[in-house]
Amino acid sequence: GENVEQHPSTLSVQEGDSAVIKCTYSDSASNYFPWYKQELGKGPQLIIDIRSNVGEKKDQRIAVTLNKTAKHFSLHITETQPEDSAVYFCAARSVEYGNKLVFGAGTILRVKS
Amino acid sequence: GAVVSQHPSRVICKSGTSVKIECRSLDFQATTMFWYRQFPKQSLMLMATSNEGSKATYEQGVEKDKFLINHASLTLSTLTVTSAHPEDSSFYICSARMQPNTEAFFGQGTRLTVV
Repeated sequence: GENVEQHPSTLSVQEGDSAVIKCTYSDSASNYFPWYKQELGKGPQLIIDIRSNVGEKKDQRIAVTLNKTAKHFSLHITETQPEDSAVYFCAARSVEYGNKLVFGAGTILRVKS
Repeated sequence: GAVVSQHPSRVICKSGTSVKIECRSLDFQATTMFWYRQFPKQSLMLMATSNEGSKATYEQGVEKDKFLINHASLTLSTLTVTSAHPEDSSFYICSARMQPNTEAFFGQGTRLTVV
């Protein structure tokens, strides 16, 4: 089955700096890679996603890159703000795994003002 | 994005009682809904997948008789924790999607405390 590893587990950045979170996956059949932001006591919120036929996607301050050969994908947040502080989860989905999402362990992002 | 509403957001129940959690897709029809459990400072653990009109498929190690899932309509799925015990205390989250190859949207979660 699919296995998703996520690094780092915690990340502290200064307001205005960039933050990068990286994930690797094991199943080469995975074709959809979403990123979720979870605030304390709330459910995950989809912030950006990418499909396997695309190498990069950007939405304002957030971007995701995908390297299918190396089986890794990354979340990039530029010009970080205190409200970006949250737990971020990457996930991968494969048809061979019943189209179910497999999540990484999460990254606690702290943006210091 | 699409809206998934989960209710209640918090519930406290006594040991031995049952509690029902509802998950509704408000602005789309969800052919598939998922139920997750999340322990503090951990990732989401998939408990079961439910397709409208069929029996839920449970992940290995999840007791189907303890966690009853019903997906009677395209906009509603329920999770009933039966004979709850303190070790069932957790954060339960549902998600829903329209089709197999579409985005999944999550509810706001339910904090269950069994006393």
